[in-house]
Amino acid sequence: ETGVTQTPRHLVMGMTNKKSLKCEQHLGHNAMYWYKQSAKKPLELMFVYSLEERVENNSVPSRFSPECPNSSHLFLHLHTLQPEDSALYLCASSQSAEGPSGANVLTFGAGSRLTVL
Amino acid sequence: GQNIDQPTEMTATEGAIVQINCTYQTSGFNGLFWYQQHAGEAPTFLSYNVLDGLEEKGRFSSFLSRSKGYSYLLLKELQMKDSASYLCAVMDSNYQLIWGAGTKLIIKP
Repeated sequence: ETGVTQTPRHLVMGMTNKKSLKCEQHLGHNAMYWYKQSAKKPLELMFVYSLEERVENNSVPSRFSPECPNSSHLFLHLHTLQPEDSALYLCASSQSAEGPSGANVLTFGAGSRLTVL
Repeated sequence: GQNIDQPTEMTATEGAIVQINCTYQTSGFNGLFWYQQHAGEAPTFLSYNVLDGLEEKGRFSSFLSRSKGYSYLLLKELQMKDSASYLCAVMDSNYQLIWGAGTKLIIKP
């Protein structure tokens, strides 16, 4: 158990579907992140939330919509996705969003494997 | 542009030593991280280097040379459970993490 739980672990959806990914952290952290991981590519930062406020959006298409209702929960709402959006979506948390360091490392969840048909 | 290079895949033998290299070109430097990721699992933090030199943690060590833009992760007494992907990431001057594509390490008996 990593302290960061993601559901569902696997999701298959059509391009017209609407679905949501959920992330929950039990570490008392104040910052939460969404990353996209594609095969043989570097992790891509999508969104950063600090104390429930979005502090960064790395030019992510509007078909991805994040929501952070409190410091323990993070959602990624998906609609009208494209096949190229198929990837592993990783949630992470850290003590603060001031920049990772030896004392402020990212703790990741196991990811949600998304397949868009 | 900013870039992190690490080998795509490496193979080593159980009980041996392996060194995974990471070279980087970033706008500024505020630390380098190594993460381990087993297939289907979460990446887990291994090490953080911000000063030149070697940091040792049991069977794993991480080295940094800022002047050369170079780091390596050294794994000793390899075990089958060390089969995983190893991710290198550098924090740039804007405190953004720049990630490498990862090195898949295969351990053979």
